[in-house]
Amino acid sequence: AQSVSQHNHHVILSEAASLELGCNYSYGGTVNLFWYVQYPGQHLQLLLKYFSGDPLVKGIKGFEAEFIKSKFSFNLRKPSVQWSDTAEYFCAVDFGNEKLTFGTGTRLTIIP
Amino acid sequence: DAGVTQSPTHLIKTRGQQVTLRCSPKSGHDTVSWYQQALGQGPQFIFQYYEEEERQRGNFPDRFSGHQYPNYSSELNVNALLLGDSALYLCASSPITGGGYTFGSGTRLTVV
Repeated sequence: AQSVSQHNHHVILSEAASLELGCNYSYGGTVNLFWYVQYPGQHLQLLLKYFSGDPLVKGIKGFEAEFIKSKFSFNLRKPSVQWSDTAEYFCAVDFGNEKLTFGTGTRLTIIP
Repeated sequence: DAGVTQSPTHLIKTRGQQVTLRCSPKSGHDTVSWYQQALGQGPQFIFQYYEEEERQRGNFPDRFSGHQYPNYSSELNVNALLLGDSALYLCASSPITGGGYTFGSGTRLTVV
């Protein structure tokens, strides 16, 4: 079955620390990859997406993600987090069927 | 501004009742998808509408039904509500040509 795994359920970091959130999916075919952020009480916002081309994708708010096809991974990174990055982060995959399959999310808490 | 408008924002219903949720897609988008996000989980795909037809459906019972109007707006109907239907219901719009999804802020449904 096509699935998306986010192994980090809750991550707690201090401001200025580096961030890496893991995302793995279970499918060997062509995929479109997304990272969304959900701030408390707000809608899902697209951080970045990968369809094809350069596997290192830069998004908004200083986030980036790297697609590693051989590892079926699309990890999210940020070199220096801020308190305002406190939110829920979701990895989502379109397995070529024009709908999104989401991971269970990672809650990120940044300590000032 | 999410670009996708959902109403109402919050709703409380009694078990066994029926509910209708509404979604206006982002301008220029003609495809509407609905997702259910239970507490602590990632969104789960319910179904997708395009050209007023249900295009594809996730693993949800027939109690969940929908509609799309000529102006691309959409409704999600849930009959015979169960306590387990309590969740955040998200609408996402996209162009049929692809390019990504825009999510609304959601409707928080509580079944008591």
